[in-house]
Amino acid sequence: DTEVTQTPKHLVMGMTNKKSLKCEQHMGHRAMYWYKQKAKKPPELMFVYSYEKLSINESVPSRFSPECPNSSLLNLHLHALQPEDSALYLCASSQVDRERASLNFGPGTRLTVT
Amino acid sequence: AQKVTQAQTEISVVEKEDVTLDCVYETRDTTYYLFWYKQPPSGELVFLIRRNSFDEQNEISGRYSWNFQKSTSSFNFTITASQVVDSAVYFCALNYGGSQGNLIFGKGTKLSVKP
Repeated sequence: DTEVTQTPKHLVMGMTNKKSLKCEQHMGHRAMYWYKQKAKKPPELMFVYSYEKLSINESVPSRFSPECPNSSLLNLHLHALQPEDSALYLCASSQVDRERASLNFGPGTRLTVT
Repeated sequence: AQKVTQAQTEISVVEKEDVTLDCVYETRDTTYYLFWYKQPPSGELVFLIRRNSFDEQNEISGRYSWNFQKSTSSFNFTITASQVVDSAVYFCALNYGGSQGNLIFGKGTKLSVKP
């Protein structure tokens, strides 16, 4: 199994809603990532988990809350989002090594905040 | 500063033409890694290649080839005999001596291959 899966594929939420994005991989990777991609822009790193511990938070607003319950799962909890948070949210995983392993990306969740 | 520049915003070619996508990078680190990813309209980023800064050997994989030149800080990507399925946005990315997974992406080049 060489896939990273993400659910849901599409999500529309209001600014007062609470929702969660889910990501799963079964490749034995111990590093997992959340990236955000606005339309016609490159992806931007949000969070990095290494061995289930948050190792990087790229100054992301607290309305985004990541969680890594185990080595295969990564969640992104959303609360009180703004319309400008509408974007494609990409999950990725990789091996943790010094050779800067390539990232395996999931198909993304396309989020619209109304 | 770490930076990746893809000067070509959009390229349009006719099927079977060869096309080269340019990538120029900036980093002060001596150890760094360069990547190319493909993003078709479906949205998923597909890994194409990784190169470390100590390996300047060019690589060919089927119709794809990559030319890494440290002297000009470039890592260009050529598709030979392009096909409609090659239509996508292509990103060049840099990972330097900093944190794992923190890819610095270029702005991407949108390639349209017309039949």
